[in-house]
Amino acid sequence: KQEVTQIPAALSVPEGENLVLNCSFTDSAIYNLQWFRQDPGKGLTSLLLIQSSQREQTSGRLNASLDKSSGRSTLYIAASQPGDSATYLCAVTNSGNTPLVFGKGTRLSVIA
Amino acid sequence: DTGVSQNPRHKITKRGQNVTFRCDPISEHNRLYWYRQTLGQGPEFLTYFQNEAQLEKSRLLSDRFSAERPKGSFSTLEIQRTEQGDSAMYLCASSSLPGQGFNYGYTFGSGTRLTVV
Repeated sequence: KQEVTQIPAALSVPEGENLVLNCSFTDSAIYNLQWFRQDPGKGLTSLLLIQSSQREQTSGRLNASLDKSSGRSTLYIAASQPGDSATYLCAVTNSGNTPLVFGKGTRLSVIA
Repeated sequence: DTGVSQNPRHKITKRGQNVTFRCDPISEHNRLYWYRQTLGQGPEFLTYFQNEAQLEKSRLLSDRFSAERPKGSFSTLEIQRTEQGDSAMYLCASSSLPGQGFNYGYTFGSGTRLTVV
């Protein structure tokens, strides 16, 4: 059974810092990995999708990497801003026919 | 099409009542998923449809829960005889089929917040 762990559970940084969020998964035979952002009381917004054949994806100040063999992904946020404050969720699917399995998320606070 | 739409946004109900939620997916998406999320936890899978067929149900989906997607478009999730433990955010997502495009990712709606009092 696939399990996803996200460390740290919470993180507080001053504005302008670069930061890394970590995600690990127990079954490395994944189909893809997706990073989401969730604001309090809201739904999920997709940030980046990495296919199993890819090593990284970039969107603006965000960069997600994938190391399938070690069962790890990182989300790098450059020059953090208060507007980045949210919970970041990592999720994987093991095949095209199995649903996404989520971690519990990392709650990020960026202090102005 | 602006994304996945869920209604209502909030629902407060008394214990023992039945509730029904609706999800309208992205029209080109064949797959529709229901998840449940409680405070401080990640979303937990409940069930998913491919077109009108319900392909998988989680053990979390007790007999009091039923989901339908009658014409392969919108879906409903009904909870009968609600309990306080059913209080959660219910999230709907949709996706294309794998191989149907390179970007096989999920798009989520804003969720329905259920409070059982």
